[in-house]
Amino acid sequence: DVKVTQSSRYLVKRTGEKVFLECVQDMDHENMFWYRQDPGLGLRLIYFSYDVKMKEKGDIPEGYSVSREKKERFSLILESASTNQTSMYLCASSFEGIDNSPLHFGNGTRLTVT
Amino acid sequence: RKEVEQDPGPFNVPEGATVAFNCTYSNSASQSFFWYRQDCRKEPKLLMSVYSSGNEDGRFTAQLNRASQYISLLIRDSKLSDSATYLCVVSGNTPLVFGKGTRLSVIA
Repeated sequence: DVKVTQSSRYLVKRTGEKVFLECVQDMDHENMFWYRQDPGLGLRLIYFSYDVKMKEKGDIPEGYSVSREKKERFSLILESASTNQTSMYLCASSFEGIDNSPLHFGNGTRLTVT
Repeated sequence: RKEVEQDPGPFNVPEGATVAFNCTYSNSASQSFFWYRQDCRKEPKLLMSVYSSGNEDGRFTAQLNRASQYISLLIRDSKLSDSATYLCVVSGNTPLVFGKGTRLSVIA
């Protein structure tokens, strides 16, 4: 069974802090994704990566960056956290084609920025 | 037109009822379709893929209508444990596109 692990379940940070959200998958998947989910807005894609050291902007990349130094790990970085980045963050992975394989999600990180 | 649209619900149905959700999509070139289930404050989990000929998994049936560009999910003999949000997912020009989900509440 695919396991996608996010490092923190709950996180509270202050405005202006640099925040790292870590995600590790154990199935040798090529593709990894970061989403945020807010009530009424659904899942919104922040960044994705289809290979090590490769990254692509999603629909809402502003205020975020990512790092993929190893195949199994995909990190989301909030350069200077703001209150409007309070959200549920979901990491996911998939194999093969980036648009035809189902995603497997981690259990999410609920981030609160005060 | 939004890429993937779903009725947000909620659909409130009694136990044992049959309920169906539709999801429309705008990209006629889409090739892959999925239904996900998401419980409150949990991550989405793959419920089933949707194949061109339609497919069934126990009480769940998924169908694709390419001409009208929609997929459907039918749940028979609803259980209390089916209460969740059901997300429609469609392939697009970029990674998979998620609908905002349809909320189902099954009532005793």
